[in-house]
Amino acid sequence: AQSVAQPEDQVKVAEGNPLTVKCTYSVSGNPYLFWYVQYPNRGLQFLLKYITGDNLVKGSYGFEAEFNKSQTSFHLKKPSALVSDSALYFCAVRSSNTGKLIFGQGTTLQVKP
Amino acid sequence: DVKVTQSSRYLVKRTGEKVFLECVQDMDHENMFWYRQDPGLGLRLIYFSYDVKMKEKGDIPEGYSVSREKKERFSLILESASTNQTSMYLCASSLRGVIVPYNEQFFGPGTRLTVL
Repeated sequence: AQSVAQPEDQVKVAEGNPLTVKCTYSVSGNPYLFWYVQYPNRGLQFLLKYITGDNLVKGSYGFEAEFNKSQTSFHLKKPSALVSDSALYFCAVRSSNTGKLIFGQGTTLQVKP
Repeated sequence: DVKVTQSSRYLVKRTGEKVFLECVQDMDHENMFWYRQDPGLGLRLIYFSYDVKMKEKGDIPEGYSVSREKKERFSLILESASTNQTSMYLCASSLRGVIVPYNEQFFGPGTRLTVL
């Protein structure tokens, strides 16, 4: 079965520290991976995607993500967190077989001043 | 910028009512999607459409139907609303993408529906 897991419901970091939001996936065929962010009472905003090529993908607002095929992971990272990064983050995978996006359950990031 | 708008931010309906949720996108996207978002469950796909008058069932289509009469508009219909359909509903659109088939989806602000 195809799935995406975000093992942490919540991640807390101090402002200025590096952050990591974890994502692992299970799909048949090539994985196409996405990260989205949702601020309170807003829709989802696209951050970045991995389709092919370099395993380190750079996206919006200083975020990046590392694709690791052997570990079937696509963790979201940022070198220095901001309070304004506090939001709900979703990882998603699109299977080349079905073409549909499968979302993880979301991780709430809290950045403390 | 792509803009996806949804007809209501908040909606309160009674059990058994017929409910229409409207979504409009202004970027000529071929693909449109309806999701529901529930805490701890992430987003679950209800229906999607690859073109006008075309629709495909997603993972949880039961109790819902959709309509796509024009390219820019995708409607979600709850034929007889029930309390377990209380949720946040998100609409999204994307380019079909022949050359780049894995285009990101652009989301509307969501409609928080409460069924009493």
